[in-house]
Amino acid sequence: DVKVTQSSRYLVKRTGEKVFLECVQDMDHENMFWYRQDPGLGLRLIYFSYDVKMKEKGDIPEGYSVSREKKERFSLILESASTNQTSMYLCASRGERGQSYEQYFGPGTRLTVT
Amino acid sequence: GEDVEQSLFLSVREGDSSVINCTYTDSSSTYLYWYKQEPGAGLQLLTYIFSNMDMKQDQRLTVLLNKKDKHLSLRIADTQTGDSAIYFCAERTDFNKFYFGSGTKLNVKP
Repeated sequence: DVKVTQSSRYLVKRTGEKVFLECVQDMDHENMFWYRQDPGLGLRLIYFSYDVKMKEKGDIPEGYSVSREKKERFSLILESASTNQTSMYLCASRGERGQSYEQYFGPGTRLTVT
Repeated sequence: GEDVEQSLFLSVREGDSSVINCTYTDSSSTYLYWYKQEPGAGLQLLTYIFSNMDMKQDQRLTVLLNKKDKHLSLRIADTQTGDSAIYFCAERTDFNKFYFGSGTKLNVKP
């Protein structure tokens, strides 16, 4: 079974703090993704990476950065957290083999910025 | 991004069929997916359909695709209380991008 794990299920941070969200997958997948999920808005793609040290902006990259130093790990960084970044953050990974190109999701990190 | 639209809520009685609908705008979609999210959990793939198919059945789940109208539906037969969750439809268009709908919250009443 594919496993995608995220470092925390719940986080509470203060405005202006630097926040790191970590994601690890154990299936040797090339592609990894960070989404945020907000009620009524569904999932919106923040950043994705198709290889180590490679990153691409998604639809809402402002206020975020990412790091992919190792294939299995993809980090999302909030340089200076703001209250409008309070959200559920979901990490996903996807391999290049297989017909369906399915994305496998982690359990999510619920971040509250006060 | 592309527009993928779903209604936000659906309520059914246990034992009835549920039909969750989705519309999308990009005619170059290759795969369309249905994901389920239970409370406090990530998304789990339920089923998918390739864009050259009209229908796919998998036990209690039936996916219908009308490519002309860009309409996708998920039918759950004999809905159970354990089916209560948020259901997301998603399309895969470009090489590495998926677009998700806003999710439909299914409430199953006993």
